[in-house]
Amino acid sequence: AQSVTQPDIHITVSEGASLELRCNYSYGATPYLFWYVQSPGQGLQLLLKYFSGDTLVQGIKGFEAEFKRSQSSFNLRKPSVHWSDAAEYFCAVGDSSYKLIFGSGTRLLVRP
Amino acid sequence: NAGVTQTPKFRVLKTGQSMTLLCAQDMNHEYMYWYRQDPGMGLRLIHYSVGEGTTAKGEVPDGYNVSRLKKQNFLLGLESAAPSQTSVYFCASSFNPLSAASYEQYFGPGTRLTVT
Repeated sequence: AQSVTQPDIHITVSEGASLELRCNYSYGATPYLFWYVQSPGQGLQLLLKYFSGDTLVQGIKGFEAEFKRSQSSFNLRKPSVHWSDAAEYFCAVGDSSYKLIFGSGTRLLVRP
Repeated sequence: NAGVTQTPKFRVLKTGQSMTLLCAQDMNHEYMYWYRQDPGMGLRLIHYSVGEGTTAKGEVPDGYNVSRLKKQNFLLGLESAAPSQTSVYFCASSFNPLSAASYEQYFGPGTRLTVT
């Protein structure tokens, strides 16, 4: 069965530091992969997606993610974190029937 | 273009009461979804619809019913609310046949439901 694992429940980084959020997936075929962000009290907003092609994808707000098939990973990165990036981040994999399977999320805290 | 809207934003129910959550989208999306979000569990799919007049069960359908009488609306019903249904509920939509971005789901702002 498809699944998504986000091993870090919380991550704290200092403002201006780099960030990497981990995501591992289990899926038999070529996956469609997504990262969403949820600010407090808000719905989910799509940050970026991978369907095929270049394994390094760029998203909004300066985020990028790299698909590594050999490691079944799709980690999210940002070179310099801003205080406004504090939020919860969800990785998801799309199945063949247009449903998404979400990880349990990683909450990002940003130290001033 | 409002995107995905949800009504109401907040609700408190007593055990055994019923209610309906309304989701509306104006993007001509074929697919619509209802999720619940609980701490540490991410989003879990309750029910979904692949088109007007169709519904299907997701991962956690028990205690909920849905209807999609119009393409733009997707209703989630709780017939007899239980404290275990205290959660934040999100609606989402996707798949416009005229667009390549069919997997992208667009989310509403959520409904916070408390059952006492």
